[in-house]
Amino acid sequence: LAKITQPISMDSYEGQEVNITCSHNNIATNDYITWYQQFPSQGPRFIIQGYKTKVTNEVASLFIPADRKSSTLSLPRVSLSDTAVYYCLVVPDDGYNKLIFGAGTRLAVHP
Amino acid sequence: NAGVMQNPRHLVRRRGQEARLRCSPMKGHSHVYWYRQLPEEGLKFMVYLQKENIIDESGMPKERFSAEFPKEGPSILRIQQVVRGDSAAYFCASSATGQPNYGYTFGSGTRLTVV
Repeated sequence: LAKITQPISMDSYEGQEVNITCSHNNIATNDYITWYQQFPSQGPRFIIQGYKTKVTNEVASLFIPADRKSSTLSLPRVSLSDTAVYYCLVVPDDGYNKLIFGAGTRLAVHP
Repeated sequence: NAGVMQNPRHLVRRRGQEARLRCSPMKGHSHVYWYRQLPEEGLKFMVYLQKENIIDESGMPKERFSAEFPKEGPSILRIQQVVRGDSAAYFCASSATGQPNYGYTFGSGTRLTVV
């Protein structure tokens, strides 16, 4: 499995764009990059997933360079309610059956 | 369409008692996963079940912990003779395909406190 490195914590202010970068140097050819969000006292929630280039949905954008050794989750114009832990995961597309979570990035959004 | 339902939300047990945590997957989902989360840590995989079968229990402690997902009814995570170190949040997730790259849906968890 790819080794994941992401910042332990980040701080931002309301209205700013937040970019959380994740390093996965030994990502395999058939691996997808997936991000989950976890609010206090709740289970993780799927945010976005991609394989290469850029993926965008109503919540976030995911940028993946050509070498796929890193990825960046972009949250536009954050609000206080975006305060959460964000997990970067690498998920094989070969029938692997479980998600492996690291410590994640604790994002604190301030007024 | 209800999401993944876990109950109870909070459970307090004295050392040596048994804890039973229940998880009802989303409608149409036949794959269930249990994770444990200690304070300030990420989730740790425990076990993956399909109806009536344990597929992967590589994350389960060797003693006192067991899980089942019967043909009818919710999945149950059972912890016998609980100790203080079992205090944690236990999350259940379900999926339709068993392929995690299609996304899991997690429940809100059961917070177990052992006193």
